[in-house]
Amino acid sequence: DAGITQSPRHKVTETGTPVTLRCHQTENHRYMYWYRQDPGHGLRLIHYSYGVKDTDKGEVSDGYSVSRSKTEDFLLTLESATSSQTSVYFCAAGQEGYNEQFFGPGTRLTVL
Amino acid sequence: KQEVTQIPAALSVPEGENLVLNCSFTDSAIYNLQWFRQDPGKGLTSLLLIQSSQREQTSGRLNASLDKSSGRSTLYIAASQPGDSATYLCAVEEYGNKLVFGAGTILRVKS
Repeated sequence: DAGITQSPRHKVTETGTPVTLRCHQTENHRYMYWYRQDPGHGLRLIHYSYGVKDTDKGEVSDGYSVSRSKTEDFLLTLESATSSQTSVYFCAAGQEGYNEQFFGPGTRLTVL
Repeated sequence: KQEVTQIPAALSVPEGENLVLNCSFTDSAIYNLQWFRQDPGKGLTSLLLIQSSQREQTSGRLNASLDKSSGRSTLYIAASQPGDSATYLCAVEEYGNKLVFGAGTILRVKS
């Protein structure tokens, strides 16, 4: 996992509640990413960061926000969780210049 | 919009067989292509990365090829083993260091 951890690993919450997922990396990677994985869709990019306080939207960003105040931490927030956001969320990190992305172990989120 | 397709969606083979997994992409303007392995309930492990200027990469029993002009990549697994059972994902890297994934091929190797 190249030093990438995610917390929590599992979470069950109710519709309408705010949820924050945390990604932490120890390798000083410049880029960090949040993906969601759903059956039949592979992984889809939610948001990514190309430096501290520099973030941009991915393919499925609606309903999600992110923040990166330190190189090592990238937070994903669901402001008001919906059942359609039930998914497995993966964080990844990497350097620029056509290098590999390294993935965390994932967070399984269930919104009831 | 880049689309990545993996065929077959699932594959079951007896131990010892050689097999090929296929990946196709619609836009040839990629920087690299990665093959990942995912075990049930786990994260992704990078297997091979092929730069856009390369034609293939090898690691042990795995060989990945890339034909950028036709938008295709294959992952060849030689002498398959039950421990190879997993989901295999391919992903292409686009401008901005962003990956676009296929839906994966679920491989089962029977002993």
